[in-house]
Amino acid sequence: KAGVTQTPRYLIKTRGQQVTLSCSPISGHRSVSWYQQTPGQGLQFLFEYFSETQRNKGNFPGRFSGRQFSNSRSEMNVSTLELGDSALYLCASSSSGTQETQYFGPGTRLLVL
Amino acid sequence: GQNIDQPTEMTATEGAIVQINCTYQTSGFNGLFWYQQHAGEAPTFLSYNVLDGLEEKGRFSSFLSRSKGYSYLLLKELQMKDSASYLCALFHRDSNYQLIWGAGTKLIIKP
Repeated sequence: KAGVTQTPRYLIKTRGQQVTLSCSPISGHRSVSWYQQTPGQGLQFLFEYFSETQRNKGNFPGRFSGRQFSNSRSEMNVSTLELGDSALYLCASSSSGTQETQYFGPGTRLLVL
Repeated sequence: GQNIDQPTEMTATEGAIVQINCTYQTSGFNGLFWYQQHAGEAPTFLSYNVLDGLEEKGRFSSFLSRSKGYSYLLLKELQMKDSASYLCALFHRDSNYQLIWGAGTKLIIKP
């Protein structure tokens, strides 16, 4: 099976812009979770989607949003980018949820200037 | 609270054994994960402990003690490729099934 894929791998944006990141889970996986990772920080949970529904949400502002399509592919959107949004954004898929082993994609490294 | 604490960085010698601790403060949880993350790469699953005790997988073993509030990852016969960050995470149903992650321990292996 192909692994989790994320596009783009690298992105440079300026403050105030918006960005959309994409994640394709492992075939057959219905749960997709998004995380933000910054140097020295653990993985910060953004949200989890399951069968096109947001099932869990972390403590991030409303500028961070996401969605999941019928083929389980997921997108994450960040509006009005701030310098502090510079991070590695990881998505992870699992068969049915975070209580199972999650398989991570390579991440999208976002730099906000 | 559900804080998870891990040492920030550890150094060990090739061929030796190292124990990476993960302590937490929570009243109860379903299980504890360990993931490995090489620099610039995605985390990969190492182990999942639900019951107390030691689970061995080759050179890597993971231990959980719910009564003492800690887990550790034991790496034997260290190899240079084991240089990575090691993340522990709790799966807690009271967190609405979110995983609560530690900040990770950066392990440096020296020849």
